[in-house]
Amino acid sequence: QKEVEQNSGPLSVPEGAIASLNCTYSDRGSQSFFWYRQYSGKSPELIMSIYSNGDKEDGRFTAQLNKASQYVSLLIRDSQPSDSATYLCAVGGGTSYGKLTFGQGTILTVHP
Amino acid sequence: GAGVSQTPSNKVTEKGKYVELRCDPISGHTALYWYRQSLGQGPEFLIYFQGTGAADDSGLPNDRFFAVRPEGSVSTLKIQRTERGDSAVYLCAAPQGNTEAFFGQGTRLTVV
Repeated sequence: QKEVEQNSGPLSVPEGAIASLNCTYSDRGSQSFFWYRQYSGKSPELIMSIYSNGDKEDGRFTAQLNKASQYVSLLIRDSQPSDSATYLCAVGGGTSYGKLTFGQGTILTVHP
Repeated sequence: GAGVSQTPSNKVTEKGKYVELRCDPISGHTALYWYRQSLGQGPEFLIYFQGTGAADDSGLPNDRFFAVRPEGSVSTLKIQRTERGDSAVYLCAAPQGNTEAFFGQGTRLTVV
């Protein structure tokens, strides 16, 4: 079982729709959770971090964390073609403080 | 991003050669991470420095890989007797806050 799992996609949504990206993790002691966006040929860019159960909103992005279910998600509202990228879920803390464990990423395509 | 500079941006080397990849955390971060990203995968943790010492080197794949950070700033990842399977993008990251990792632009290593 992979430590951090994401659907690889691709996930295709129309412009203006809500994109929903999901991630599960295996280390129950994990303390920190991140979403990165990666454009083709570029390095990952941090877009959201969340540490406690519930929702965290930042502009068009909402991160949701459920530690009991070991589940974290990212919602992108009013999706734009410029949101088309690979989205990486990363988990830190727990038994591996000081490093992040990444999922394989979900490819998102927003079509006009 | 966040003041992490990596050189070279691209490196092509022949199988069996030795390579050095450099990371300069311009803003003087205490912690520094190296990751490796293969095509279609999320970044994979290699090593984590806290100051001059390696706090966690559990991700180094074998003894051909070695990293140093002698003065607690610039770090060098060294790969001996390179193999074609070492081809990947090598990412350096420095945290801001708890465990967030902000990545440099990466070094694309190609072993031919």
